Amino acid sequence: DTEVTQTPKHLVMGMTNKKSLKCEQHMGHRAMYWYKQKAKKPPELMFVYSYEKLSINESVPSRFSPECPNSSLLNLHLHALQPEDSALYLCASTKESYVPVIAEAFFGQGTRLTVV
Amino acid sequence: RKEVEQDPGPFNVPEGATVAFNCTYSNSASQSFFWYRQDCRKEPKLLMSVYSSGNEDGRFTAQLNRASQYISLLIRDSKLSDSATYLCVVNMNYGGATNKLIFGTGTLLAVQP
Repeated sequence: DTEVTQTPKHLVMGMTNKKSLKCEQHMGHRAMYWYKQKAKKPPELMFVYSYEKLSINESVPSRFSPECPNSSLLNLHLHALQPEDSALYLCASTKESYVPVIAEAFFGQGTRLTVV
Repeated sequence: RKEVEQDPGPFNVPEGATVAFNCTYSNSASQSFFWYRQDCRKEPKLLMSVYSSGNEDGRFTAQLNRASQYISLLIRDSKLSDSATYLCVVNMNYGGATNKLIFGTGTLLAVQP
């Protein structure tokens, strides 16, 4: 199983809503990532979790709150988002993150988020 | 300077052509290099990892030049199905424990019949 599963596939939310994006992998990977991708731009790193601990926060606004309940799950809690936060949110995992040579990242299909 | 830079593109080439993409990275400590392919409105998918000795997979050849901090991807005999955005991905580690996988800006390839 080399799948990373993200739900939901599409999400429309108002600026006052609270919602969560979910990501799951069963490859035994210990590093998980959230990326944000705007149209015609490359994915931009938001957060890195390593062994269920937040290792990197790329100065992401606090209206985005990540959570890693266990080694297979990664959530992104959304609250009071702005229309400019509309984007494709991608989850990825790698076997490790601490080692110098990382094996490839596997990506989920993403959640296409629209903030209205 | 961006951490990972690529040819801006787009590249419009006829079927059967050979096309080369370049990528430069800023962190000399980087040790993991990849080429990903992303189709429109889809997630990135691994095309190939890039090794110091260079590696080939069918029509695709990847090269790494550590001294110049430069990665390349060569596609021979282009097919219509090769049309996609090609993303260079490099790990960045600035002395911390955790690596970051950083994407280049991407190069759009359009193969014409």
